[in-house]
Amino acid sequence: DVKVTQSSRYLVKRTGEKVFLECVQDMDHENMFWYRQDPGLGLRLIYFSYDVKMKEKGDIPEGYSVSREKKERFSLILESASTNQTSMYLCASSSLRTGEDYGYTFGSGTRLTVV
Amino acid sequence: DAKTTQPNSMESNEEEPVHLPCNHSTISGTDYIHWYRQLPSQGPEYVIHGLTSNVNNRMASLAIAEDRKSSTLILHRATLRDAAVYYCILRVRRGFGNEKLTFGTGTRLTIIP
Repeated sequence: DVKVTQSSRYLVKRTGEKVFLECVQDMDHENMFWYRQDPGLGLRLIYFSYDVKMKEKGDIPEGYSVSREKKERFSLILESASTNQTSMYLCASSSLRTGEDYGYTFGSGTRLTVV
Repeated sequence: DAKTTQPNSMESNEEEPVHLPCNHSTISGTDYIHWYRQLPSQGPEYVIHGLTSNVNNRMASLAIAEDRKSSTLILHRATLRDAAVYYCILRVRRGFGNEKLTFGTGTRLTIIP
């Protein structure tokens, strides 16, 4: 069964801490994405990457950065966590190969609380 | 950004068909229509997608209007496990590597036993 695995299901961090959210996929997908989900706002795209060492800003990149050193791993970094970054974070991956559009595969999410 | 419009919520009786509508009047010729669903405490799950023709898979059917400005997700026989938030999304590709899925707030489907 193909999988997108997020390293933590629940995380509690203090304001000002540097936070790393890790995501690994085993499908050899080129594209990887980070979303956050908040009540009433749906899913919003933070950053995405279509290749190793490549990154593109999504709709709400402020306060976040990303790293993609290996094809299978995409990390979201909160440089200095703030309470307004308390949210559910979802990682996803997808294939760019023609004829392999099976949609995005999402992880189970990391619920981050910043106190 | 290409946007979709869905009703906020719908109800259906168990074991009856469900038709979930979606409007996407600004769709471009190369945009695929995707549907995902999200069960409580889980990430979204891919359901089905299409470009122009109607599509069927083991989970659902997708009916696409001839002008592609609307589509309908059809669950042929709803079960309690189909209770979820359903998202209709356009997969927009603007060149290699430049693509995104923009999620709206979806339709919350309630199944009545």
